[in-house]
Amino acid sequence: DSGVTQTPKHLITATGQRVTLRCSPRSGDLSVYWYQQSLDQGLQFLIQYYNGEERAKGNILERFSAQQFPDLHSELNLSSLELGDSALYFCASSVGGTSTAQTQYFGPGTRLLVL
Amino acid sequence: AQKITQTQPGMFVQEKEAVTLDCTYDTSDPSYGLFWYKQPSSGEMIFLIYQGSYDQQNATEGRYSLNFQKARKSANLVISASQLGDSAMYFCAMREGYGTGGFKTIFGAGTRLFVKA
Repeated sequence: DSGVTQTPKHLITATGQRVTLRCSPRSGDLSVYWYQQSLDQGLQFLIQYYNGEERAKGNILERFSAQQFPDLHSELNLSSLELGDSALYFCASSVGGTSTAQTQYFGPGTRLLVL
Repeated sequence: AQKITQTQPGMFVQEKEAVTLDCTYDTSDPSYGLFWYKQPSSGEMIFLIYQGSYDQQNATEGRYSLNFQKARKSANLVISASQLGDSAMYFCAMREGYGTGGFKTIFGAGTRLFVKA
């Protein structure tokens, strides 16, 4: 158990809908990262937050948004869902976010299925 | 351009033998970190080992060691004394600066390892 929690574990929804994925980092970790893992794209970095502020952006679609709250938990919002958004979404956390040496610990993931 | 390359989609190894999983990377940033993660069939991502670009010695963590050849831009994972539980997907990843104080981590396509009894 990495200490990173994600809810829900599974999510089934329809195209056009909006969902929110939640992540609680390990105790003491200030950085949260979101990743999308799909069969065709592999594991893709979406976005990083550090102590409430956005720090890095990857291949995140405009339909997707995220935030990190004062208690350091984070939410990833996916809207106008399409079939291609079906994937495993990981949250990871690290102690800091200002060094290449920071090891990220991954949560169990949320498996999203868009029908 | 692809920055992390894992050229072995699948590999087989006999139990108790050693196996090397290849990883090459490309970056112009002098400061970066290299990581290996294991993803079993259950889906979770498990951190295995880390190597910093300025580290002089190869990293080791138990049965895992990282063969870091900076000039060749390779960071191969060596698993010694393979166990049946090592059967999983293995990902090589590189973390580099983003420019706004953040960091991006790029993952390779992965290598699926099968350990035979």
